[in-house]
Parts: sequence; C-alpha cells; structure tokens
Amino acid sequence: DQQVKQNSPSLSVQEGRISILNCDYTNSMFDYFLWYKKYPAEGPTFLISISSIKDKNEDGRFTVFLNKSAKHLSLHIVPSQPGDSAVYFCAASAYTQKLVFGQGTRLTINP
Amino acid sequence: NAGVTQTPKFRVLKTGQSMTLLCAQDMNHEYMYWYRQDPGMGLRLIHYSVGEGTTAKGEVPDGYNVSRLKKQNFLLGLESAAPSQTSVYFCASSLRLVNTEAFFGQGTRLTVV
Repeated sequence: DQQVKQNSPSLSVQEGRISILNCDYTNSMFDYFLWYKKYPAEGPTFLISISSIKDKNEDGRFTVFLNKSAKHLSLHIVPSQPGDSAVYFCAASAYTQKLVFGQGTRLTINP
Repeated sequence: NAGVTQTPKFRVLKTGQSMTLLCAQDMNHEYMYWYRQDPGMGLRLIHYSVGEGTTAKGEVPDGYNVSRLKKQNFLLGLESAAPSQTSVYFCASSLRLVNTEAFFGQGTRLTVV
C-alpha cells in the first residue's frame, strides 16, 4: 500500500520555465511534508518542507503547496535551471510514523 | 563537518555471503535510519534507531539486522545475502523522530550475484 505517490516518473522542462512536481498521499494523519533532491551517486538532500498548518512555503526559487482536502502537495521551481536536473522525492511523516517516501520523479531541464 | 558517512560505497557479494554496512554521523543525532532504494519503489525504511542501544523494525526488515552500540554509528548486517537484496542502501540521521528533515549518506550500491 503506497501511502505517498508520485505518479509521474519523469518530467522534462525548458530552462527558465516553471517546473511543477506533484505528490499525492493517502494517510490523513500525515502532518509534515518534505521534498528531497537527489543527484546520481549521491544521497538525497533536503530541499524544503511544509507543516500541515500551512498551505504554502517558499524558499527562493522553490515553493511547496499543500492541499489537505485533496491530500496533494506540489513543488514549484521558478525559474528552472540546468542544475535542477535531478530526482525529486516527496516524503511525509506523522506523529506516530517515520518518513514515508514517494517513488521519485526524474526532472530534466533542457537548455 | 562530514555529516553522514557510509562505508563501503560499492560491494559485490555472492549469494549466501554476509556483510556489514557501516554508517557514521558526526551531528550528535539521536535518530538513525537505514533505507533501501529500488527502481520505482522510492526509499523504503529497513530499520531505525531512536538512540544508543536501541533498534526497531521499519517497513522492509526481513533479511537484515542492525546494531547501535555507539550513538554515532549504525550498522546494517546481511547474514545470508540474496539477489533480492541487490539495491542502493542509504543511511540517514535526524535530530528528532518526526517533523524534521533527515540527513543522508552518499549511499552503498550492493549487488548480490
């Protein structure tokens, strides 16, 4: 039972445009959500997070949106840069549950 | 500041062999985790530890054992490796158990033939 789902295995975006990565979850107890970025042959690195008491969190070019009623979160990257090409994982946690990760989305930024 | 360091980075095992993966963190974190990453499956939690001397099962614990004898180290053991354990293994640590980010090591690519 996949509690956190990233339904798009890959996404290709032109440099300078907006990248939107999506994530859906099924467990209504999740109250903290994170996005990680992973380059080949490296470990995932934390990118941005959001608590369930908020619906938006920004950090520079990265914005995470949370829609609790739809159990959906998204990561917006504006503008997209070649260095953003990586695999992005969303993750969720609840008070009684450790981090649960999605399958990942491979983002490719084309020049 | 090294963060989380995993040893080794690569390993090839024959079916039935045993090995231990070492994870070390220098951030004084209480919580440590072992994940495996497989294509299309994301990161799945194998075992975790909430402090020195403690361990607990995660989502996919079968075939693995762990030990946390020192706060900074978390060992993952495979007693009798199977081809299904071919994967990339990541160790992570965090300051808190929930509502916090985890810091990951660079990964260990294990192939069981």
